[in-house]
Amino acid sequence: GQNIDQPTEMTATEGAIVQINCTYQTSGFNGLFWYQQHAGEAPTFLSYNVLDGLEEKGRFSSFLSRSKGYSYLLLKELQMKDSASYLCAVKDSNYQLIWGAGTKLIIKP
Amino acid sequence: GAVVSQHPSRVICKSGTSVKIECRSLDFQATTMFWYRQFPKQSLMLMATSNEGSKATYEQGVEKDKFLINHASLTLSTLTVTSAHPEDSSFYICSARAGREVEPQHFGDGTRLSIL
Repeated sequence: GQNIDQPTEMTATEGAIVQINCTYQTSGFNGLFWYQQHAGEAPTFLSYNVLDGLEEKGRFSSFLSRSKGYSYLLLKELQMKDSASYLCAVKDSNYQLIWGAGTKLIIKP
Repeated sequence: GAVVSQHPSRVICKSGTSVKIECRSLDFQATTMFWYRQFPKQSLMLMATSNEGSKATYEQGVEKDKFLINHASLTLSTLTVTSAHPEDSSFYICSARAGREVEPQHFGDGTRLSIL
Protein backbone atom coordinates (compact mmCIF):
# COMPACT_ATOMS: atom_id res chain seq x y z
CA GLY A 1 0.00 0.00 0.00
CA GLN A 2 0.90 3.63 -0.18
CA ASN A 3 2.00 5.34 2.96
CA ILE A 4 3.26 8.70 4.13
CA ASP A 5 4.63 9.10 7.64
CA GLN A 6 5.25 12.32 9.51
CA PRO A 7 5.29 13.08 13.23
CA THR A 8 1.92 13.91 14.73
CA GLU A 9 3.07 16.90 16.73
CA MET A 10 6.20 18.94 17.36
CA THR A 11 6.99 21.83 19.68
CA ALA A 12 9.58 24.53 19.09
CA THR A 13 10.57 27.91 20.48
CA GLU A 14 10.07 31.25 18.79
CA GLY A 15 13.21 32.29 16.92
CA ALA A 16 14.56 28.74 16.73
CA ILE A 17 14.80 26.25 13.85
CA VAL A 18 12.66 23.16 13.41
CA GLN A 19 12.84 20.27 10.96
CA ILE A 20 9.72 18.28 10.09
CA ASN A 21 10.45 14.91 8.53
CA CYS A 22 8.37 12.96 6.04
CA THR A 23 8.99 9.44 4.77
CA TYR A 24 6.99 7.90 1.98
CA GLN A 25 6.34 4.58 0.27
CA THR A 26 4.36 5.07 -2.91
CA SER A 27 3.86 3.36 -6.22
CA GLY A 28 6.00 5.67 -8.29
CA PHE A 29 7.01 9.23 -7.62
CA ASN A 30 6.14 12.42 -9.44
CA GLY A 31 6.99 15.03 -6.88
CA LEU A 32 6.61 15.87 -3.20
CA PHE A 33 4.68 18.83 -1.85
CA TRP A 34 4.57 20.61 1.48
CA TYR A 35 1.49 22.55 2.52
CA GLN A 36 0.76 24.67 5.58
CA GLN A 37 -2.67 24.55 7.16
CA HIS A 38 -3.75 26.83 9.99
CA ALA A 39 -6.54 25.57 12.21
CA GLY A 40 -9.91 25.98 10.54
CA GLU A 41 -8.39 27.11 7.26
CA ALA A 42 -7.56 25.48 3.95
CA PRO A 43 -4.00 24.40 3.10
CA THR A 44 -1.62 26.78 1.39
CA PHE A 45 1.15 25.61 -0.92
CA LEU A 46 4.68 25.94 0.47
CA SER A 47 7.08 23.96 -1.69
CA TYR A 48 7.56 21.34 -4.37
CA ASN A 49 10.51 18.95 -4.81
CA VAL A 50 10.92 16.55 -7.70
CA LEU A 51 14.72 16.29 -7.82
CA ASP A 52 17.05 15.40 -4.96
CA GLY A 53 18.41 18.27 -2.97
CA LEU A 54 17.41 21.37 -1.11
CA GLU A 55 14.93 24.01 -2.27
CA GLU A 56 15.13 27.25 -0.32
CA LYS A 57 12.35 29.80 -0.16
CA GLY A 58 12.90 32.50 2.44
CA ARG A 59 12.64 31.10 5.95
CA PHE A 60 11.40 27.76 4.63
CA SER A 61 13.49 25.08 2.92
CA SER A 62 12.52 21.62 1.72
CA PHE A 63 14.83 18.70 1.08
CA LEU A 64 14.27 15.52 -0.89
CA SER A 65 16.08 12.20 -1.17
CA ARG A 66 14.26 9.94 -3.61
CA SER A 67 16.50 6.95 -2.94
CA LYS A 68 15.61 7.10 0.76
CA GLY A 69 11.97 8.04 0.27
CA TYR A 70 12.57 10.97 2.58
CA SER A 71 11.92 14.67 2.76
CA TYR A 72 12.08 17.35 5.39
CA LEU A 73 10.72 20.84 5.77
CA LEU A 74 13.04 23.23 7.60
CA LEU A 75 11.63 26.34 9.20
CA LYS A 76 14.08 29.00 10.40
CA GLU A 77 13.61 32.02 12.67
CA LEU A 78 10.33 30.64 13.88
CA GLN A 79 7.49 33.07 14.44
CA MET A 80 4.31 32.54 16.43
CA LYS A 81 2.32 32.68 13.17
CA ASP A 82 4.15 29.51 12.04
CA SER A 83 2.02 27.52 14.48
CA ALA A 84 0.04 25.32 12.10
CA SER A 85 -0.17 21.84 10.67
CA TYR A 86 2.31 20.97 7.95
CA LEU A 87 1.17 18.45 5.38
CA CYS A 88 3.48 16.31 3.27
CA ALA A 89 2.00 14.94 0.04
CA VAL A 90 3.45 12.80 -2.75
CA LYS A 91 2.24 12.34 -6.33
CA ASP A 92 2.40 8.70 -7.31
CA SER A 93 2.87 7.14 -10.75
CA ASN A 94 -0.75 7.98 -11.63
CA TYR A 95 -0.21 11.57 -10.51
CA GLN A 96 -2.59 10.95 -7.64
CA LEU A 97 -1.73 13.05 -4.59
CA ILE A 98 -1.20 10.93 -1.48
CA TRP A 99 -1.51 12.96 1.72
CA GLY A 100 0.22 12.52 5.04
CA ALA A 101 -1.80 13.08 8.20
CA GLY A 102 0.07 16.29 8.94
CA THR A 103 2.39 17.49 11.68
CA LYS A 104 0.97 19.95 14.16
CA LEU A 105 3.69 22.47 15.01
CA ILE A 106 3.34 24.37 18.29
CA ILE A 107 5.50 27.46 18.73
CA LYS A 108 6.18 28.62 22.27
CA PRO A 109 7.43 32.11 23.20
CA GLY B 1 -1.16 34.31 -8.81
CA ALA B 2 -3.00 30.97 -8.52
CA VAL B 3 -5.94 32.23 -6.48
CA VAL B 4 -8.87 29.93 -5.81
CA SER B 5 -12.09 31.34 -4.42
CA GLN B 6 -14.59 29.15 -2.60
CA HIS B 7 -18.07 30.25 -1.59
CA PRO B 8 -19.78 30.21 0.82
CA SER B 9 -17.29 30.04 3.67
CA ARG B 10 -19.86 28.81 6.14
CA VAL B 11 -23.30 27.23 5.90
CA ILE B 12 -25.68 26.29 8.66
CA CYS B 13 -28.89 24.63 7.54
CA LYS B 14 -31.56 22.13 8.47
CA SER B 15 -31.38 18.43 7.80
CA GLY B 16 -32.75 17.53 4.36
CA THR B 17 -31.56 20.73 2.71
CA SER B 18 -29.37 20.65 -0.39
CA VAL B 19 -26.30 22.86 -0.28
CA LYS B 20 -24.27 24.11 -3.23
CA ILE B 21 -20.62 25.12 -2.88
CA GLU B 22 -18.80 27.00 -5.63
CA CYS B 23 -15.11 26.86 -6.42
CA ARG B 24 -13.58 29.33 -8.84
CA SER B 25 -10.04 29.76 -10.13
CA LEU B 26 -9.65 33.53 -10.42
CA ASP B 27 -6.44 34.05 -12.35
CA PHE B 28 -5.81 30.76 -14.13
CA GLN B 29 -7.66 28.07 -16.03
CA ALA B 30 -8.15 24.97 -13.93
CA THR B 31 -8.17 21.89 -16.09
CA THR B 32 -8.66 19.78 -13.00
CA MET B 33 -10.43 20.52 -9.74
CA PHE B 34 -10.53 18.44 -6.59
CA TRP B 35 -12.99 18.26 -3.73
CA TYR B 36 -11.85 17.27 -0.27
CA ARG B 37 -13.53 16.75 3.06
CA GLN B 38 -11.78 17.16 6.38
CA PHE B 39 -13.12 16.18 9.78
CA PRO B 40 -11.67 17.81 12.90
CA LYS B 41 -8.07 16.86 13.62
CA GLN B 42 -7.99 14.52 10.62
CA SER B 43 -6.17 14.66 7.33
CA LEU B 44 -7.66 15.72 4.03
CA MET B 45 -9.84 13.09 2.38
CA LEU B 46 -10.18 13.32 -1.38
CA MET B 47 -13.80 12.96 -2.41
CA ALA B 48 -13.62 13.40 -6.16
CA THR B 49 -11.61 14.72 -9.07
CA SER B 50 -13.24 16.61 -11.89
CA ASN B 51 -11.97 17.60 -15.29
CA GLU B 52 -13.65 20.36 -17.24
CA GLY B 53 -16.43 19.07 -19.44
CA SER B 54 -16.38 15.49 -18.20
CA LYS B 55 -17.90 13.49 -15.35
CA ALA B 56 -16.19 13.56 -12.01
CA THR B 57 -14.22 10.58 -10.73
CA TYR B 58 -15.31 9.69 -7.23
CA GLU B 59 -13.19 8.03 -4.58
CA GLN B 60 -14.28 4.73 -3.12
CA GLY B 61 -17.00 5.14 -0.56
CA VAL B 62 -18.16 8.55 -1.77
CA GLU B 63 -21.78 8.54 -2.98
CA LYS B 64 -21.93 10.26 -6.33
CA ASP B 65 -25.70 10.71 -6.10
CA LYS B 66 -25.31 12.53 -2.80
CA PHE B 67 -22.32 14.68 -3.72
CA LEU B 68 -23.04 16.09 -7.16
CA ILE B 69 -20.08 17.68 -8.89
CA ASN B 70 -20.25 19.85 -11.95
CA HIS B 71 -17.21 21.28 -13.71
CA ALA B 72 -18.84 23.24 -16.49
CA SER B 73 -16.00 25.63 -17.30
CA LEU B 74 -12.26 25.97 -16.83
CA THR B 75 -12.79 28.34 -13.93
CA LEU B 76 -15.78 26.95 -12.07
CA SER B 77 -16.67 23.72 -10.30
CA THR B 78 -19.59 23.17 -7.97
CA LEU B 79 -20.28 20.59 -5.28
CA THR B 80 -23.89 20.05 -4.26
CA VAL B 81 -24.55 18.10 -1.09
CA THR B 82 -28.05 16.75 -1.65
CA SER B 83 -30.45 16.13 1.23
CA ALA B 84 -27.74 16.86 3.77
CA HIS B 85 -27.82 15.17 7.18
CA PRO B 86 -25.90 15.93 10.39
CA GLU B 87 -23.24 13.33 9.51
CA ASP B 88 -22.42 15.41 6.42
CA SER B 89 -21.27 18.25 8.64
CA SER B 90 -17.61 18.82 7.82
CA PHE B 91 -15.07 21.18 6.31
CA TYR B 92 -15.24 20.94 2.52
CA ILE B 93 -12.27 22.24 0.55
CA CYS B 94 -11.78 22.56 -3.17
CA SER B 95 -8.48 22.83 -4.99
CA ALA B 96 -7.56 23.55 -8.56
CA ARG B 97 -4.66 22.68 -10.76
CA ALA B 98 -3.62 24.35 -13.97
CA GLY B 99 -2.16 22.36 -16.82
CA ARG B 100 0.23 19.51 -16.21
CA GLU B 101 -0.28 16.84 -13.58
CA VAL B 102 2.99 17.74 -11.86
CA GLU B 103 1.67 21.20 -11.04
CA PRO B 104 0.70 21.90 -7.40
CA GLN B 105 -2.88 22.16 -6.29
CA HIS B 106 -4.06 25.50 -5.00
CA PHE B 107 -6.78 25.50 -2.40
CA GLY B 108 -9.85 27.58 -1.80
CA ASP B 109 -10.55 28.81 1.73
CA GLY B 110 -12.93 25.96 2.47
CA THR B 111 -16.60 25.76 3.43
CA ARG B 112 -17.63 24.79 6.92
CA LEU B 113 -20.94 22.98 6.63
CA SER B 114 -23.08 22.44 9.71
CA ILE B 115 -26.30 20.47 9.39
CA LEU B 116 -28.71 20.80 12.30
